[in-house]
Amino acid sequence: DTAVSQTPKYLVTQMGNDKSIKCEQNLGHDTMYWYKQDSKKFLKIMFSYNNKELIINETVPNRFSPKSPDKAHLNLHINSLELGDSAVYFCASSQGLAGVRSSYNEQFFGPGTRLTVL
Amino acid sequence: GQSLEQPSEVTAVEGAIVQINCTYQTSGFYGLSWYQQHDGGAPTFLSYNGLDGLEETGRFSSFLSRSDSYGYLLLQELQMKDSASYFCAVRGRAAGNKLTFGGGTRVLVKP
Repeated sequence: DTAVSQTPKYLVTQMGNDKSIKCEQNLGHDTMYWYKQDSKKFLKIMFSYNNKELIINETVPNRFSPKSPDKAHLNLHINSLELGDSAVYFCASSQGLAGVRSSYNEQFFGPGTRLTVL
Repeated sequence: GQSLEQPSEVTAVEGAIVQINCTYQTSGFYGLSWYQQHDGGAPTFLSYNGLDGLEETGRFSSFLSRSDSYGYLLLQELQMKDSASYFCAVRGRAAGNKLTFGGGTRVLVKP
C-alpha cells in the first residue's frame, strides 16, 4: 500500500552510461515532481508534471528527460551520466496544482533513489 | 528568484522546546511549508502556512508573518525521534506548485 514508490532504490553506474528511474503513485494525485538532493542535503526541484503535461522544467541539462505515460507514473531518464549527477533523486506527488487548501500544498515523497556515478 | 535562510544545526535535550526560524526572499509568495527528513529517509510534510498566524499540529506548530517574510517551526516536548533535518520551503507564484527549499536545519535531540 505504498503511496509513492521509486525503483531502483540504489543505482551505481559508470560515467557516460544511460539510466532510468521509475516512479509510481497510487494516491490518485494529478501532479508529480522530480527533485535532486545533493550531498549537502540541498533539495531542488527539477521537473513537475500535471496530468501528464510538463509544467516546471528548472534549467536542468537536457541529458535529463522526464516522461509521464499517465498521471500515476513519472519516469526520469538520464543520458551520458556525469560525476556531478551523483545524488539522491526523489519523486513526489500532490493532489493538484496548489490552491488555498493545505491539502493541495502537501507533497508526498517517494523513498528516493541514490545514484552513484563512478 | 527565491532564497531562504535557516540555521544549519540546533541541539537540545529531550523534553525541551526548539524554534527553527526561516526568513525568505521571493518575488512572489503564496505560502511556507515545513518538511521533516530523517537520515536516509524521504522528506515528509509537517505543515503549511498560507496566511499569517500560528498553525498547530500536535507537538509541532508553525508560524508565518508575511509582512516580515519570516516563519518558524516550533517543536515542543522534544523526543529522541525528532532528531532529523527540518526544511522550510516557499511556494512562489511560479506555475506548477513549485517549492523552493531552504538548506535545512539539523536538529539533534540528546537524552
